[in-house]
Amino acid sequence: EAQVTQNPRYLITVTGKKLTVTCSQNMNHEYMSWYRQDPGLGLRQIYYSMNVEVTDKGDVPEGYKVSRKEKRNFPLILESPSPNQTSLYFCASSPPGGNEQFFGPGTRLTVL
Amino acid sequence: AQSVTQLGSHVSVSEGALVLLRCNYSSSVPPYLFWYVQYPNQGLQLLLKYTTGATLVKGINGFEAEFKKSETSFHLTKPSAHMSDAAEYFCAVSESGTGGFKTIFGAGTRLFVKA
Repeated sequence: EAQVTQNPRYLITVTGKKLTVTCSQNMNHEYMSWYRQDPGLGLRQIYYSMNVEVTDKGDVPEGYKVSRKEKRNFPLILESPSPNQTSLYFCASSPPGGNEQFFGPGTRLTVL
Repeated sequence: AQSVTQLGSHVSVSEGALVLLRCNYSSSVPPYLFWYVQYPNQGLQLLLKYTTGATLVKGINGFEAEFKKSETSFHLTKPSAHMSDAAEYFCAVSESGTGGFKTIFGAGTRLFVKA
């Protein structure tokens, strides 16, 4: 089944404890992206990637890192999480042309 | 710079009534425009998209949207609402960036459907 998977789906952590949210797609898509969703703000793009080793900042990149070493994986790294990063995170991928995006199920992160 | 404005954070309609969700955008280049739907506790799912060509775009579940360049609008409609349409709807605009496509989403409109 064609899909985007994220792990973990739920995570509660404490301030300053490094964490990684994994994202993987099995559709051979070149383009991948991370978003955070907050009430009343919709989805805001954190980082996106056109292909392996090619990434660019979205609108809210502060406090986040990404890497794209393989085409199928696009992990989101929080080196030192803070409470304002408590949010619902979505990974997405797109076929060549970067048009419609296929979204993962989301990761709900709580930073205490 | 791109931006997306969705008018109305909540819209309530009766079952069988017309659904109209409003979206206005700004973009410095010809945009790609999208509507996505999010059901509770799920990710987003594409409803329809406009890239080039025909300005009236038909999507899944009976939804359609019309790209009006002069009004910078891309409103979503459905002639007859169904209970299963209750969800949150997001309008989005996309442009080509250096590393791919930078996408801006609106704040979302939650649709309620009354029996």
